[in-house]
Amino acid sequence: DAGVIQSPRHEVTEMGQEVTLRCKPISGHDYLFWYRQTMMRGLELLIYFNNNVPIDDSGMPEDRFSAKMPNASFSTLKIQPSEPRDSAVYFCATSEQGGETQYFGPGTRLLVL
Amino acid sequence: KNQVEQSPQSLIILEGKNCTLQCNYTVSPFSNLRWYKQDTGRGPVSLTIMTFSENTKSNGRYTATLDADTKQSSLHITASQLSDSASYICVVSYNSGNTPLVFGKGTRLSVIA
Repeated sequence: DAGVIQSPRHEVTEMGQEVTLRCKPISGHDYLFWYRQTMMRGLELLIYFNNNVPIDDSGMPEDRFSAKMPNASFSTLKIQPSEPRDSAVYFCATSEQGGETQYFGPGTRLLVL
Repeated sequence: KNQVEQSPQSLIILEGKNCTLQCNYTVSPFSNLRWYKQDTGRGPVSLTIMTFSENTKSNGRYTATLDADTKQSSLHITASQLSDSASYICVVSYNSGNTPLVFGKGTRLSVIA
């Protein structure tokens, strides 16, 4: 298995633009997590899905952030409009049903100018 | 407030030496505690996961301990190698499950020759 796949790996955009981050989970993993990592705040859980259903989105910073999982093999995290303070590395991680180990993707490094 | 504190913030050791990283938490009710290793520019990788009833768990040269009474955990690295240079993140989950999660900010370890 190729592991968790994220795209793009790097994204530079201007303030106000829409940003879409993508994640392909490991096949057969029923949990999918979106994280954000910054130097100041470390890793933060934004939202997670179980069987494509959002379970907890309490970590989503504000309405500018939205996440979807239309099927078991694809998820998106969208920021609209983007702001400089959204600059961070965004990770997608997945785990098996009932599993404890989360497998992280390589992350998307986002810079909003 | 649920918190995870890690110390030291950063550490430099000589190759071949041992070291111990600390994690103190105030998370309640405790479910499990994980240690992750994160290489620069990559996603975190799980090292160990411990539940309430486990007080030690090893993964090669990495040994994690857990004292649920004092709410402390440590990660001991034996005979360090240059490839151990990374950030080590302590993560605690609560409310009987694998989520929600509280993250420490990590310890940055540098192993030098």
